[in-house]
Amino acid sequence: DTQLTQSPSFLSASVGDRVTITCRASQGIGSYLAWYQQQPGKAPNLLIYATSTLQSGVPSRFSGSGSGTDFTLTISSLQPEDFATYYCQQLNSYPITFGGGTKVEIK
Amino acid sequence: EAHLAESGGDLVQPGGSLRLSCVVSGFTFSDHFMDWVRQAPGKGLEWVARSKNKAFSYTTEYAASVKGRFTISRDESRNSLYLQMNSLRTEDTAVYYCVRVACTGRDCRVFDIWGQGTSVTVSS
Repeated sequence: DTQLTQSPSFLSASVGDRVTITCRASQGIGSYLAWYQQQPGKAPNLLIYATSTLQSGVPSRFSGSGSGTDFTLTISSLQPEDFATYYCQQLNSYPITFGGGTKVEIK
Repeated sequence: EAHLAESGGDLVQPGGSLRLSCVVSGFTFSDHFMDWVRQAPGKGLEWVARSKNKAFSYTTEYAASVKGRFTISRDESRNSLYLQMNSLRTEDTAVYYCVRVACTGRDCRVFDIWGQGTSVTVSS
Protein backbone atom coordinates (compact mmCIF):
# COMPACT_ATOMS: atom_id res chain seq x y z
CA ASP A 1 0.00 0.00 0.00
CA THR A 2 1.10 3.58 -0.61
CA GLN A 3 1.34 5.50 2.66
CA LEU A 4 0.85 9.27 2.64
CA THR A 5 2.46 11.36 5.38
CA GLN A 6 1.15 14.88 5.82
CA SER A 7 2.98 17.58 7.71
CA PRO A 8 2.35 19.37 9.85
CA SER A 9 -0.61 17.58 11.45
CA PHE A 10 -1.62 20.82 13.12
CA LEU A 11 -1.02 24.40 12.03
CA SER A 12 -1.89 27.66 13.74
CA ALA A 13 -2.03 30.69 11.42
CA SER A 14 -3.55 34.13 11.02
CA VAL A 15 -5.83 35.56 8.36
CA GLY A 16 -3.68 36.73 5.47
CA ASP A 17 -0.86 34.24 6.14
CA ARG A 18 0.67 32.09 3.41
CA VAL A 19 0.25 28.45 4.40
CA THR A 20 1.98 25.38 3.00
CA ILE A 21 1.04 21.77 3.75
CA THR A 22 3.19 18.90 2.52
CA CYS A 23 2.29 15.33 1.60
CA ARG A 24 4.95 12.67 1.12
CA ALA A 25 4.18 9.33 -0.51
CA SER A 26 5.97 6.12 0.44
CA GLN A 27 6.47 5.36 -3.26
CA GLY A 28 6.14 7.25 -6.50
CA ILE A 29 2.56 8.13 -7.48
CA GLY A 30 3.21 10.19 -10.61
CA SER A 31 0.87 13.15 -10.54
CA TYR A 32 -2.11 11.25 -9.12
CA LEU A 33 -2.59 13.32 -6.00
CA ALA A 34 -5.64 15.26 -4.80
CA TRP A 35 -6.35 17.64 -1.94
CA TYR A 36 -9.58 18.04 0.06
CA GLN A 37 -10.86 20.50 2.60
CA GLN A 38 -13.20 19.31 5.35
CA GLN A 39 -15.16 21.57 7.65
CA PRO A 40 -16.37 20.09 10.98
CA GLY A 41 -19.45 17.92 10.50
CA LYS A 42 -19.36 18.23 6.72
CA ALA A 43 -18.28 16.04 3.83
CA PRO A 44 -14.85 16.63 2.29
CA ASN A 45 -14.71 19.08 -0.59
CA LEU A 46 -12.35 18.57 -3.53
CA LEU A 47 -9.88 21.42 -3.94
CA ILE A 48 -7.21 20.15 -6.33
CA TYR A 49 -6.73 17.02 -8.43
CA ALA A 50 -3.92 15.69 -10.60
CA THR A 51 -1.46 17.52 -8.30
CA SER A 52 -2.17 21.04 -9.55
CA THR A 53 -5.56 21.29 -11.30
CA LEU A 54 -7.96 23.54 -9.42
CA GLN A 55 -11.47 22.11 -9.11
CA SER A 56 -14.18 24.32 -10.57
CA GLY A 57 -15.39 26.92 -8.09
CA VAL A 58 -12.35 26.70 -5.81
CA PRO A 59 -10.68 30.08 -5.13
CA SER A 60 -7.39 30.74 -6.88
CA ARG A 61 -5.60 31.31 -3.57
CA PHE A 62 -5.35 27.50 -3.41
CA SER A 63 -2.60 25.87 -5.46
CA GLY A 64 -0.86 22.53 -5.63
CA SER A 65 2.51 21.34 -6.84
CA GLY A 66 4.88 18.41 -6.77
CA SER A 67 5.53 15.08 -8.46
CA GLY A 68 6.73 11.59 -7.67
CA THR A 69 6.69 11.40 -3.90
CA ASP A 70 6.60 15.00 -2.64
CA PHE A 71 3.62 17.32 -2.96
CA THR A 72 2.45 20.61 -1.49
CA LEU A 73 -0.79 22.49 -1.03
CA THR A 74 -0.39 26.25 -0.69
CA ILE A 75 -2.96 28.79 0.43
CA SER A 76 -1.57 32.15 -0.64
CA SER A 77 -3.57 34.31 1.77
CA LEU A 78 -5.54 32.49 4.44
CA GLN A 79 -9.18 33.54 4.74
CA PRO A 80 -11.55 32.95 7.70
CA GLU A 81 -13.42 30.24 5.79
CA ASP A 82 -10.17 28.32 5.20
CA PHE A 83 -9.84 27.21 8.81
CA ALA A 84 -10.52 23.50 8.38
CA THR A 85 -8.81 20.12 8.04
CA TYR A 86 -7.00 19.28 4.81
CA TYR A 87 -6.33 15.81 3.41
CA CYS A 88 -4.19 14.58 0.55
CA GLN A 89 -5.16 11.46 -1.42
CA GLN A 90 -3.28 9.25 -3.86
CA LEU A 91 -5.08 7.66 -6.80
CA ASN A 92 -2.14 5.95 -8.47
CA SER A 93 -2.84 2.46 -7.19
CA TYR A 94 -5.19 0.39 -5.07
CA PRO A 95 -5.93 0.74 -2.29
CA ILE A 96 -6.61 4.43 -2.69
CA THR A 97 -5.19 6.09 0.41
CA PHE A 98 -5.44 9.38 2.26
CA GLY A 99 -2.98 11.30 4.38
CA GLY A 100 -3.65 11.69 8.08
CA GLY A 101 -4.88 15.27 7.75
CA THR A 102 -3.68 18.77 8.65
CA LYS A 103 -5.86 20.86 10.91
CA VAL A 104 -5.51 24.59 10.27
CA GLU A 105 -6.61 26.71 13.22
CA ILE A 106 -6.77 30.40 13.95
CA LYS A 107 -3.77 31.82 15.77
CA GLU B 1 -26.86 19.61 -10.56
CA ALA B 2 -25.32 16.36 -9.38
CA HIS B 3 -26.51 15.16 -5.98
CA LEU B 4 -25.88 12.11 -3.81
CA ALA B 5 -28.05 11.13 -0.84
CA GLU B 6 -27.02 8.31 1.50
CA SER B 7 -29.28 6.46 3.90
CA GLY B 8 -29.37 3.28 5.93
CA GLY B 9 -26.95 4.09 8.73
CA ASP B 10 -27.92 2.70 12.13
CA LEU B 11 -26.76 1.19 15.41
CA VAL B 12 -25.97 -2.51 14.94
CA GLN B 13 -24.44 -5.18 17.13
CA PRO B 14 -21.04 -6.72 16.35
CA GLY B 15 -21.47 -9.54 13.87
CA GLY B 16 -24.59 -7.95 12.43
CA SER B 17 -25.40 -6.71 8.95
CA LEU B 18 -26.50 -3.43 7.41
CA ARG B 19 -27.14 -2.14 3.90
CA LEU B 20 -26.36 1.44 2.99
CA SER B 21 -27.98 3.12 0.01
CA CYS B 22 -27.01 6.14 -2.06
CA VAL B 23 -29.49 7.65 -4.48
CA VAL B 24 -27.91 9.75 -7.21
CA SER B 25 -29.40 12.45 -9.43
CA GLY B 26 -28.34 15.08 -11.92
CA PHE B 27 -25.90 12.96 -13.95
CA THR B 28 -25.64 9.76 -15.97
CA PHE B 29 -25.01 7.13 -13.29
CA SER B 30 -23.59 4.51 -15.67
CA ASP B 31 -20.83 6.87 -16.86
CA HIS B 32 -19.18 7.15 -13.47
CA PHE B 33 -17.18 5.12 -11.02
CA MET B 34 -18.86 5.26 -7.60
CA ASP B 35 -17.01 4.77 -4.31
CA TRP B 36 -17.65 4.52 -0.59
CA VAL B 37 -15.31 6.34 1.78
CA ARG B 38 -15.64 6.24 5.56
CA GLN B 39 -14.48 8.31 8.50
CA ALA B 40 -14.32 6.93 12.02
CA PRO B 41 -15.18 9.40 14.81
CA GLY B 42 -12.38 11.96 15.16
CA LYS B 43 -10.25 10.16 12.57
CA GLY B 44 -9.20 10.59 8.96
CA LEU B 45 -10.65 9.33 5.70
CA GLU B 46 -10.51 5.71 4.59
CA TRP B 47 -11.41 4.47 1.11
CA VAL B 48 -13.70 1.42 1.35
CA ALA B 49 -14.96 0.20 -2.03
CA ARG B 50 -15.43 1.02 -5.70
CA SER B 51 -17.96 0.17 -8.39
CA LYS B 52 -16.53 0.97 -11.79
CA ASN B 53 -18.70 2.26 -14.62
CA LYS B 54 -20.46 0.52 -17.49
CA ALA B 55 -17.39 0.84 -19.72
CA PHE B 56 -15.49 -1.24 -17.17
CA SER B 57 -18.36 -3.73 -16.78
CA TYR B 58 -19.15 -2.47 -13.28
CA THR B 59 -16.22 -4.37 -11.79
CA THR B 60 -15.41 -3.75 -8.14
CA GLU B 61 -12.46 -3.06 -5.84
CA TYR B 62 -12.23 -3.23 -2.04
CA ALA B 63 -10.00 -2.17 0.79
CA ALA B 64 -8.34 -5.11 2.50
CA SER B 65 -10.09 -4.23 5.78
CA VAL B 66 -13.55 -4.94 4.31
CA LYS B 67 -12.87 -7.46 1.54
CA GLY B 68 -15.00 -10.56 2.01
CA ARG B 69 -17.38 -8.79 4.42
CA PHE B 70 -18.66 -5.82 2.38
CA THR B 71 -20.22 -5.88 -1.10
CA ILE B 72 -20.70 -2.85 -3.30
CA SER B 73 -23.39 -2.94 -5.97
CA ARG B 74 -25.56 -0.67 -8.02
CA ASP B 75 -29.03 -0.66 -9.54
CA GLU B 76 -29.02 1.48 -12.66
CA SER B 77 -32.83 1.40 -12.90
CA ARG B 78 -33.07 3.01 -9.47
CA ASN B 79 -30.01 5.28 -9.83
CA SER B 80 -28.79 3.75 -6.61
CA LEU B 81 -25.51 2.56 -5.15
CA TYR B 82 -25.41 0.11 -2.26
CA LEU B 83 -22.99 -1.16 0.35
CA GLN B 84 -23.95 -4.44 1.95
CA MET B 85 -22.00 -4.77 5.19
CA ASN B 86 -21.83 -8.17 6.90
CA SER B 87 -19.92 -9.45 9.93
CA LEU B 88 -19.68 -5.92 11.25
CA ARG B 89 -16.98 -5.06 13.76
CA THR B 90 -16.67 -2.21 16.23
CA GLU B 91 -13.90 -0.76 14.05
CA ASP B 92 -16.42 -0.32 11.21
CA THR B 93 -18.06 2.46 13.22
CA ALA B 94 -17.88 5.54 11.00
CA VAL B 95 -19.67 8.02 8.81
CA TYR B 96 -19.93 6.47 5.35
CA TYR B 97 -19.79 8.77 2.33
CA CYS B 98 -20.97 7.95 -1.17
CA VAL B 99 -18.66 9.57 -3.73
CA ARG B 100 -18.90 10.16 -7.48
CA VAL B 101 -15.66 9.67 -9.37
CA ALA B 102 -15.37 11.75 -12.53
CA CYS B 103 -13.78 10.26 -15.62
CA THR B 104 -11.85 11.68 -18.54
CA GLY B 105 -12.22 8.94 -21.11
CA ARG B 106 -11.17 5.77 -19.34
CA ASP B 107 -9.18 7.61 -16.67
CA CYS B 108 -11.32 7.96 -13.55
CA ARG B 109 -9.49 9.63 -10.68
CA VAL B 110 -11.45 12.69 -9.54
CA PHE B 111 -13.61 12.38 -6.41
CA ASP B 112 -15.71 15.38 -7.34
CA ILE B 113 -19.09 14.93 -5.66
CA TRP B 114 -19.65 13.67 -2.09
CA GLY B 115 -22.87 12.86 -0.28
CA GLN B 116 -23.62 14.18 3.20
CA GLY B 117 -22.78 10.83 4.82
CA THR B 118 -24.68 8.28 6.87
CA SER B 119 -23.61 7.18 10.35
CA VAL B 120 -22.96 3.53 11.25
CA THR B 121 -22.33 2.54 14.85
CA VAL B 122 -21.31 -1.01 15.69
CA SER B 123 -21.70 -1.61 19.40
CA SER B 124 -23.24 -4.05 21.84
